[in-house]
This record gives sequence, C-alpha cells and structure tokens, in this order.
Amino acid sequence: DGGITQSPKYLFRKEGQNVTLSCEQNLNHDAMYWYRQDPGQGLRLIYYSQIVNDFQKGDIAEGYSVSREKKESFPLTVTSAQKNPTAFYLCASSITAGQTYTGELFFGEGSRLTVL
Amino acid sequence: AQRVTQPEKLLSVFKGAPVELKCNYSYSGSPELFWYVQYSRQRLQLLLRHISRESIKGFTADLNKGETSFHLKKPFAQEEDSAMYYCALSRPSNTGKLIFGQGTTLQVKP
Repeated sequence: DGGITQSPKYLFRKEGQNVTLSCEQNLNHDAMYWYRQDPGQGLRLIYYSQIVNDFQKGDIAEGYSVSREKKESFPLTVTSAQKNPTAFYLCASSITAGQTYTGELFFGEGSRLTVL
Repeated sequence: AQRVTQPEKLLSVFKGAPVELKCNYSYSGSPELFWYVQYSRQRLQLLLRHISRESIKGFTADLNKGETSFHLKKPFAQEEDSAMYYCALSRPSNTGKLIFGQGTTLQVKP
C-alpha cells in the first residue's frame, strides 16, 4: 500500500519533554514537509526538505527540529522550547520541479499531540 | 505578504442547492492555486488546481486575477460533498510550500 505513514496517531507528553513524530513515504518523492493544523488557522508550514540531507525552516519552525537522513523518512521533533505544542501534525510529500512538478501534495493521516 | 483567506468557517446548504466556497488571495506575481479537501476520516487530498482548468466531482474553480479570487463552485450539492475544504497558494519556485487558507467546512443537509 503506497503512501505516507505517520506514527503515532495519538501522543501525550508532559511539559518539558521532547517528542518525535515519525513520517515515512514509499512514493519515491524527493520533497517532504511538515505542517501544523490548528482549528481556524488552516495549515502552517513547519519544515520542509527538497532532498536528502537538506532541509529548511518554514513559517513556524521555532521549537521544532527535523532530520532527513533517508529519502523515505522525515521525522519531526517537538522540543520543550515549543510554546504551544498541542496540535495536529501533518506530514506530506511531493515530487519536485525537476520531476515534472504538478503542485500536488500527498498527505499522511496525521499525528495528534497533546501536552498535559 | 502572501496570504489566502477563506471568509466562511462553515457553509451549510441543502442537497441540490448551488455551492460557492470563497477564496481570496494576495500575491505579487502569477499565482498557482489549489483546492484541497478532507472528507471525514480521510486524508487531506488535492481536489483541483487552477492550471488544469478541470472539473472534479462536479466542482470547478476559476482564477479571477482582477478580484484575486479562486472560488470553488458546484451547481448542485450532494451529501457526499460534506467535508473540510482548503484553498492553497503555491509560493515561487514551484515548490510544495503551500500557503493554506483557514478552511471552510461544507455541510450538505438532506
């Protein structure tokens, strides 16, 4: 079954703890993204990566970190520095401009993080 | 600044009625605009993009550069159209760094 897999679906964490959300894709896409979804605010870009071993900050990167050691994987760490981490997190992937980019993002099912 | 605005949080219509989901954008260039949809318990997915000029599931959207709008329309709503709809703008360099609107929940009543 091809697509994007995010885990865990639900995660609880105490204040002051770091937590890592997993995102794996088997679509052979070069680009991967992390978005945060909050009610009434739509989706906001946290980090993105166009290629392995390279990533850039999005609009709301503070308090988050990522890595891109493999094409298939783009984990997101929510650190204790993130002021308001309770949210729904969506991972996505796409082909890039060099691969006849169409603008389509493929999304995972999301991970809901709750900070207690 | 680049921005996408969807003024309605919730749009409720009866089955068979016309639907128009509003989207306005601000962008200093040639925009690429999209509509994404999230049905209940499903992933967010692309519905249509303006460059394709396509009709998907009876929905169409026309880019109006003069009014900086990209409203989504369907002449006759169906119950299965009930979902959350997001309008999105692609940033320069044709990347997937989309700017999303706040989203509109469409509720089609029987």
